[in-house]
Amino acid sequence: KNEVEQSPQNLTAQEGEFITINCSYSVGISALHWLQQHPGGGIVSLFMLSSGKKKHGRLIATINIQEKHSSLHITASHPRDSAVYICAVRFNNDMRFGAGTRLTVKP
Amino acid sequence: SQTIHQWPATLVQPVGSPLSLECTVEGTSNPNLYWYRQAAGRGLQLLFYSVGIGQISSEVPQNLSASRPQDRQFILSSKKLLLSDSGFYLCAWGEGMNTEAFFGQGTRLTVV
Repeated sequence: KNEVEQSPQNLTAQEGEFITINCSYSVGISALHWLQQHPGGGIVSLFMLSSGKKKHGRLIATINIQEKHSSLHITASHPRDSAVYICAVRFNNDMRFGAGTRLTVKP
Repeated sequence: SQTIHQWPATLVQPVGSPLSLECTVEGTSNPNLYWYRQAAGRGLQLLFYSVGIGQISSEVPQNLSASRPQDRQFILSSKKLLLSDSGFYLCAWGEGMNTEAFFGQGTRLTVV
C-alpha cells in the first residue's frame, strides 16, 4: 500500500468550477507538499504545509495533521490550471509521492 | 537565490549503453539532494538521496548508481541501460526536513 493516496486520479472540470483534490497519508510527516507537473514534465512546488491552511492566488491548501489528510482547492478554475497535481510528504530524509491527479479544465 | 539545473532534458539511448545525468544546485551549501524516477503512469519513486559529499543512500535495488563528487553536484549513472530504465528522472534538493523542496526540470529518458 502506498503511503500517500490521492483522489481522484483524473478530474475533468468546466472553466470556472471549484476544484478539490484530496491526499491522505499513513506515516508521520514533517511537512506536506503540493506540486504541479505540466505536460513537459517539469515540476513546480505550489505549497509546503505543516499545519493549517495556505492561500496563493486561486489556490488554497489545507492540512489536518490528526486526520493525516490534506486538500488542494482551486477556485474559478481555468484551462491553464490543467496539469497533474501531486501530493508529497516528507519524513526522515525522504519524500514520498502520491500517484498524482490529472486535472483537465475545459473552456 | 537558489536554482537547480538538470540536463539533458530529453535523451534517447540504446539498450546496453551507459548513462550519465547531471544535476547541479546554486545558491546554497550542503543541500540534501535527491534523484527520483517517474515511470509511465506511476508516481515518483525515490532512487537515491545524499546528505553530503560522497554520501549516497539507495532506496531500491536497480541498474543505476549515483555519485556526489562535489557539494552541489549529483550524478545519476548506469553502465548498461535496460529498456525498463525508461522514464522521467527528476533531481531535487532541500535544506532539511521542514524546508521547501526544489525540483529540476527533469530528464525524459527513452531506452530503445
